Amino acid sequence: QSALTQPRSVSGSPGQSVTISCTGTSSDVGGYNYVSWYQHHPGKAPKLIIYEVNKRPSGVPDRFSGCKSDNTASLTISGLQPEDEADYYCCSYAGTYTWVFGGGTKLTVL
Amino acid sequence: QVQLVESGGGVVQPGGSLKLSCAASGFTFNRFGMHWVRQAPGKGLEWVAFLWYEGNNEHYADPVKGRFTISRDNSKNTLYLQMNSLRAEDTAVYYCAKDLEKSYTTDYWGQGALVIVSS
Repeated sequence: QSALTQPRSVSGSPGQSVTISCTGTSSDVGGYNYVSWYQHHPGKAPKLIIYEVNKRPSGVPDRFSGCKSDNTASLTISGLQPEDEADYYCCSYAGTYTWVFGGGTKLTVL
Repeated sequence: QVQLVESGGGVVQPGGSLKLSCAASGFTFNRFGMHWVRQAPGKGLEWVAFLWYEGNNEHYADPVKGRFTISRDNSKNTLYLQMNSLRAEDTAVYYCAKDLEKSYTTDYWGQGALVIVSS
Protein backbone atom coordinates (compact mmCIF):
# COMPACT_ATOMS: atom_id res chain seq x y z
CA GLN A 1 0.00 0.00 0.00
CA SER A 2 2.60 2.56 -1.05
CA ALA A 3 1.32 6.07 -1.65
CA LEU A 4 0.71 7.18 -5.21
CA THR A 5 3.30 9.63 -6.57
CA GLN A 6 2.28 13.23 -7.21
CA PRO A 7 4.43 16.33 -7.78
CA ARG A 8 4.83 18.29 -4.56
CA SER A 9 3.76 21.53 -6.20
CA VAL A 10 2.56 23.11 -9.43
CA SER A 11 1.74 26.68 -10.31
CA GLY A 12 0.06 28.70 -13.00
CA SER A 13 -1.31 32.15 -13.71
CA PRO A 14 -5.02 32.94 -13.84
CA GLY A 15 -6.54 31.72 -17.08
CA GLN A 16 -3.78 29.19 -17.73
CA SER A 17 -4.02 25.41 -17.51
CA VAL A 18 -2.12 23.08 -15.21
CA THR A 19 -1.89 19.30 -15.12
CA ILE A 20 -1.17 17.21 -12.03
CA SER A 21 0.06 13.66 -12.49
CA CYS A 22 -0.56 10.69 -10.22
CA THR A 23 1.56 7.58 -10.72
CA GLY A 24 0.82 4.23 -9.17
CA THR A 25 1.17 0.60 -10.18
CA SER A 26 -0.78 -2.08 -11.98
CA SER A 27 -2.24 -3.01 -8.58
CA ASP A 28 -3.99 0.30 -8.16
CA VAL A 29 -4.14 3.06 -10.82
CA GLY A 30 -3.37 0.73 -13.70
CA GLY A 31 -5.64 -2.04 -12.51
CA TYR A 32 -8.90 -0.18 -12.01
CA ASN A 33 -10.81 2.73 -13.54
CA TYR A 34 -11.52 3.99 -10.05
CA VAL A 35 -9.26 7.01 -9.71
CA SER A 36 -10.62 10.01 -7.86
CA TRP A 37 -9.34 13.53 -7.29
CA TYR A 38 -9.99 15.75 -4.30
CA GLN A 39 -9.54 19.47 -3.75
CA HIS A 40 -8.55 20.33 -0.19
CA HIS A 41 -8.44 23.80 1.24
CA PRO A 42 -6.61 23.47 4.60
CA GLY A 43 -9.00 23.45 7.53
CA LYS A 44 -11.94 22.41 5.36
CA ALA A 45 -13.39 19.09 4.29
CA PRO A 46 -11.82 17.62 1.15
CA LYS A 47 -14.08 17.97 -1.89
CA LEU A 48 -14.52 15.31 -4.58
CA ILE A 49 -13.91 16.84 -8.01
CA ILE A 50 -13.31 13.80 -10.25
CA TYR A 51 -14.27 10.15 -9.84
CA GLU A 52 -13.98 7.03 -12.00
CA VAL A 53 -11.02 8.69 -13.79
CA ASN A 54 -12.98 11.35 -15.66
CA LYS A 55 -16.44 11.88 -14.19
CA ARG A 56 -17.39 15.14 -12.48
CA PRO A 57 -19.85 15.30 -9.59
CA SER A 58 -22.74 17.67 -9.98
CA GLY A 59 -21.65 21.25 -9.40
CA VAL A 60 -17.99 20.79 -10.31
CA PRO A 61 -17.04 23.08 -13.21
CA ASP A 62 -16.00 21.49 -16.49
CA ARG A 63 -12.66 23.30 -16.10
CA PHE A 64 -11.69 20.21 -14.12
CA SER A 65 -10.99 17.07 -16.15
CA GLY A 66 -9.31 13.75 -15.60
CA CYS A 67 -7.75 11.00 -17.64
CA LYS A 68 -5.58 7.92 -17.24
CA SER A 69 -2.96 6.07 -19.21
CA ASP A 70 -1.51 2.82 -17.88
CA ASN A 71 -0.35 3.44 -14.31
CA THR A 72 -0.62 7.23 -14.42
CA ALA A 73 -3.69 9.38 -13.94
CA SER A 74 -3.84 13.10 -14.54
CA LEU A 75 -5.97 16.02 -13.43
CA THR A 76 -6.12 19.09 -15.66
CA ILE A 77 -7.47 22.40 -14.47
CA SER A 78 -8.07 24.87 -17.27
CA GLY A 79 -8.87 28.55 -16.98
CA LEU A 80 -7.20 28.77 -13.57
CA GLN A 81 -8.97 30.92 -11.02
CA PRO A 82 -7.62 32.24 -7.72
CA GLU A 83 -10.02 30.02 -5.75
CA ASP A 84 -8.43 26.95 -7.35
CA GLU A 85 -5.41 27.45 -5.11
CA ALA A 86 -5.51 24.41 -2.83
CA ASP A 87 -4.00 20.99 -2.24
CA TYR A 88 -5.04 18.28 -4.69
CA TYR A 89 -5.00 14.56 -3.93
CA CYS A 90 -5.50 11.58 -6.18
CA CYS A 91 -6.89 8.35 -4.80
CA SER A 92 -7.15 4.91 -6.38
CA TYR A 93 -9.02 1.78 -5.49
CA ALA A 94 -6.41 -0.91 -4.78
CA GLY A 95 -8.55 -4.01 -4.60
CA THR A 96 -10.21 -5.94 -1.73
CA TYR A 97 -11.90 -2.78 -0.47
CA THR A 98 -8.69 -0.87 0.15
CA TRP A 99 -7.68 2.49 -1.21
CA VAL A 100 -4.45 4.44 -1.62
CA PHE A 101 -3.94 8.20 -1.82
CA GLY A 102 -1.26 10.26 -3.46
CA GLY A 103 1.03 12.46 -1.41
CA GLY A 104 -0.77 15.60 -2.52
CA THR A 105 0.09 18.52 -4.80
CA LYS A 106 0.00 22.14 -3.74
CA LEU A 107 -1.40 24.33 -6.52
CA THR A 108 -0.36 27.96 -6.43
CA VAL A 109 -2.20 30.47 -8.60
CA LEU A 110 0.34 33.17 -9.31
CA GLN B 1 -27.78 18.25 2.70
CA VAL B 2 -25.24 15.64 3.73
CA GLN B 3 -23.52 16.41 7.02
CA LEU B 4 -20.80 14.43 8.74
CA VAL B 5 -19.59 15.62 12.14
CA GLU B 6 -16.66 13.95 13.85
CA SER B 7 -16.09 14.07 17.60
CA GLY B 8 -14.01 12.41 20.27
CA GLY B 9 -10.58 13.67 19.31
CA GLY B 10 -8.04 14.73 21.89
CA VAL B 11 -4.65 14.09 23.44
CA VAL B 12 -3.76 10.54 24.48
CA GLN B 13 -0.54 8.92 25.69
CA PRO B 14 1.30 6.33 23.60
CA GLY B 15 -0.25 2.94 24.15
CA GLY B 16 -3.59 4.49 25.05
CA SER B 17 -7.02 4.26 23.46
CA LEU B 18 -9.51 6.67 21.97
CA LYS B 19 -12.87 6.30 20.24
CA LEU B 20 -13.98 8.66 17.50
CA SER B 21 -17.58 9.17 16.47
CA CYS B 22 -19.06 10.51 13.25
CA ALA B 23 -22.67 11.67 13.30
CA ALA B 24 -24.29 11.49 9.87
CA SER B 25 -27.35 13.28 8.54
CA GLY B 26 -28.93 14.29 5.24
CA PHE B 27 -28.84 10.83 3.65
CA THR B 28 -30.04 7.29 4.33
CA PHE B 29 -27.10 6.23 6.47
CA ASN B 30 -27.87 2.50 6.49
CA ARG B 31 -27.58 2.32 2.69
CA PHE B 32 -23.99 3.47 2.35
CA GLY B 33 -20.55 2.23 3.25
CA MET B 34 -18.39 4.57 5.30
CA HIS B 35 -14.68 5.34 5.49
CA TRP B 36 -12.14 6.84 7.87
CA VAL B 37 -9.25 8.78 6.33
CA ARG B 38 -6.50 10.61 8.22
CA GLN B 39 -3.97 13.34 7.61
CA ALA B 40 -0.86 13.58 9.76
CA PRO B 41 0.61 17.06 10.30
CA GLY B 42 2.30 18.25 7.13
CA LYS B 43 1.50 15.00 5.34
CA GLY B 44 -0.98 13.80 2.75
CA LEU B 45 -4.24 11.95 3.13
CA GLU B 46 -4.11 8.30 4.16
CA TRP B 47 -7.01 5.88 3.88
CA VAL B 48 -7.59 4.11 7.21
CA ALA B 49 -10.67 1.89 7.13
CA PHE B 50 -13.91 1.03 5.31
CA LEU B 51 -17.13 -0.55 6.59
CA TRP B 52 -19.99 -1.86 4.51
CA TYR B 53 -23.47 -0.42 4.98
CA GLU B 54 -24.62 -3.45 6.95
CA GLY B 55 -21.67 -3.19 9.31
CA ASN B 56 -20.55 -6.75 8.73
CA ASN B 57 -17.57 -6.36 6.43
CA GLU B 58 -14.63 -4.19 7.45
CA HIS B 59 -11.28 -3.46 5.83
CA TYR B 60 -8.18 -1.72 7.14
CA ALA B 61 -4.94 -0.18 5.99
CA ASP B 62 -1.89 -2.19 7.07
CA PRO B 63 -0.57 0.44 9.57
CA VAL B 64 -3.72 0.19 11.71
CA LYS B 65 -4.72 -3.44 11.22
CA GLY B 66 -5.18 -5.20 14.54
CA ARG B 67 -5.21 -1.91 16.50
CA PHE B 68 -8.18 0.03 15.07
CA THR B 69 -11.80 -1.12 14.75
CA ILE B 70 -14.40 0.55 12.56
CA SER B 71 -18.05 0.04 13.49
CA ARG B 72 -21.43 1.68 13.09
CA ASP B 73 -24.81 1.99 14.75
CA ASN B 74 -27.35 2.42 11.97
CA SER B 75 -30.09 3.13 14.51
CA LYS B 76 -28.11 6.21 15.60
CA ASN B 77 -26.73 7.18 12.17
CA THR B 78 -23.26 7.07 13.68
CA LEU B 79 -19.91 5.70 12.57
CA TYR B 80 -17.13 4.89 15.05
CA LEU B 81 -13.40 4.31 15.08
CA GLN B 82 -11.98 2.57 18.14
CA MET B 83 -8.24 3.20 18.28
CA ASN B 84 -6.10 1.07 20.61
CA SER B 85 -2.34 0.80 21.20
CA LEU B 86 -1.92 4.30 19.84
CA ARG B 87 1.48 5.43 18.57
CA ALA B 88 2.98 8.84 17.92
CA GLU B 89 2.61 8.22 14.19
CA ASP B 90 -1.17 7.96 14.61
CA THR B 91 -1.26 11.69 15.36
CA ALA B 92 -3.49 13.15 12.67
CA VAL B 93 -6.77 14.76 11.74
CA TYR B 94 -9.25 11.93 11.25
CA TYR B 95 -12.03 12.39 8.70
CA CYS B 96 -15.09 10.26 8.20
CA ALA B 97 -16.34 10.04 4.64
CA LYS B 98 -19.41 8.66 2.90
CA ASP B 99 -18.92 6.06 0.18
CA LEU B 100 -20.22 6.88 -3.30
CA GLU B 101 -22.07 3.69 -4.14
CA LYS B 102 -20.64 1.56 -6.97
CA SER B 103 -17.93 4.11 -7.73
CA TYR B 104 -15.29 2.99 -5.23
CA THR B 105 -14.76 6.47 -3.91
CA THR B 106 -16.05 8.92 -1.31
CA ASP B 107 -18.27 11.88 -2.05
CA TYR B 108 -18.78 13.69 1.26
CA TRP B 109 -16.37 14.27 4.12
CA GLY B 110 -16.58 15.74 7.59
CA GLN B 111 -14.39 18.53 8.93
CA GLY B 112 -12.22 16.13 10.87
CA ALA B 113 -11.22 15.41 14.48
CA LEU B 114 -7.67 15.94 15.73
CA VAL B 115 -5.97 13.12 17.58
CA ILE B 116 -2.62 13.80 19.24
CA VAL B 117 -0.62 10.91 20.64
CA SER B 118 1.99 12.29 22.97
CA SER B 119 3.40 11.76 26.43
